[in-house]
Amino acid sequence: GAGVSQSPSNKVTEKGKDVELRCDPISGHTALYWYRQSLGQGLEFLIYFQGNSAPDKSGLPSDRFSAERTGGSVSTLTIQRTQQEDSAVYLCASSLVFNNEQFFGPGTRLTVL
Amino acid sequence: AQSVTQLGSHVSVSEGALVLLRCNYSSSVPPYLFWYVQYPNQGLQLLLKYTSAATLVKGINGFEAEFKKSETSFHLTKPSAHMSDAAEYFCAVSDGGGSYIPTFGRGTSLIVHP
Repeated sequence: GAGVSQSPSNKVTEKGKDVELRCDPISGHTALYWYRQSLGQGLEFLIYFQGNSAPDKSGLPSDRFSAERTGGSVSTLTIQRTQQEDSAVYLCASSLVFNNEQFFGPGTRLTVL
Repeated sequence: AQSVTQLGSHVSVSEGALVLLRCNYSSSVPPYLFWYVQYPNQGLQLLLKYTSAATLVKGINGFEAEFKKSETSFHLTKPSAHMSDAAEYFCAVSDGGGSYIPTFGRGTSLIVHP
């Protein structure tokens, strides 16, 4: 079946612009996660959605970052007024929450000039 | 609170040699433990997971890991490295019963020499 998809695969933007990154999880997965992966670093947790519960936003690095998940499926991560330090690969993952096994998308590589 | 330490940012082995990637964890409750692999320009893929059943867990591509509670370790091994095993490997822990947000290690890059 279809896996987790993300779009765009690459995004180059200018400092100060807003960007939107999209994630389509596996159908039926109620949990959705966003991570940021910088060069040489591990995965930095950003935000977690579970069903209709309020999202866990504890990993968002600043108020320039926000995310929503519509209809319990597709999610959009928005970064406002991008900065060069936002350059990274943004990964999305989904899971059936009770086994915690995450299925990852291929990521969006964001470059802020 | 939970944490993961992966010893060695890079591990280099010869093709056919034993692969050993180290992972130590900290968790206040019995953990769920995972190893993921990331090939270049791809997302992470689950290799294997421990969820309180057998302590020796077998995964895909000939990898296995042993949960050792006394050592708080979950090291990943493979008897004979293949060139195709060259990738980034991540260990992750979650507490399974409360927070469903795994904590990932910083990753270990496996280099396989011919």
